[in-house]
Amino acid sequence: SQTIHQWPATLVQPVGSPLSLECTVEGTSNPNLYWYRQAAGRGLQLLFYSVGIGQISSEVPQNLSASRPQDRQFILSSKKLLLSDSGFYLCACKGRLNNEQFFGPGTRLTVL
Amino acid sequence: DAKTTQPPSMDCAEGRAANLPCNHSTISGNEYVYWYRQIHSQGPQYIIHGLKNNETNEMASLIITEDRKSSTLILPHATLRDTAVYYCIVRVANRDDKIIFGKGTRLHILP
Repeated sequence: SQTIHQWPATLVQPVGSPLSLECTVEGTSNPNLYWYRQAAGRGLQLLFYSVGIGQISSEVPQNLSASRPQDRQFILSSKKLLLSDSGFYLCACKGRLNNEQFFGPGTRLTVL
Repeated sequence: DAKTTQPPSMDCAEGRAANLPCNHSTISGNEYVYWYRQIHSQGPQYIIHGLKNNETNEMASLIITEDRKSSTLILPHATLRDTAVYYCIVRVANRDDKIIFGKGTRLHILP
């Protein structure tokens, strides 16, 4: 079965510091991968998606970037964090049974 | 993908059926109706989906109107653990698989 690992689970970073969030997927090959963000009290916002190694599409202009160095690895990065980058970051992949999206446990980022 | 409209919040007594409505009046013929839910501090979880026939699985039932312009998710015997935000989404299957989440319905199950 599919499993998505995200780390760290929680993170507190100062403004201006760099960021690297990692997502790895097990139980599937060549998956479509997605990064979402959920700011406090708000809905899910799609940030990036990737259909293959090195292929990244950005959905919204922002302070973040994404990379996919391996088939089942998706990384979210920033060179300098802003206060507005705080939120709950979720990695997702396409499900195997119902064409649904399957979500990881998320990383809660607080920028101070 | 077509847009959906859901009530912002609903209450339901524990043990009763929770009926969550969703309007999708601009749905296209090849778009499916998907339901997800998000329990606090967790990622969204797939519940059920359908095209035009009613569907049932171990979690819920999905009733789609004949004109497909609206649907209802039914949790037959709601428990406190069903307290969550429920998202109704319409999308074309097997396209680029991007999902645009709306604000959903916050369902409170009352003891």
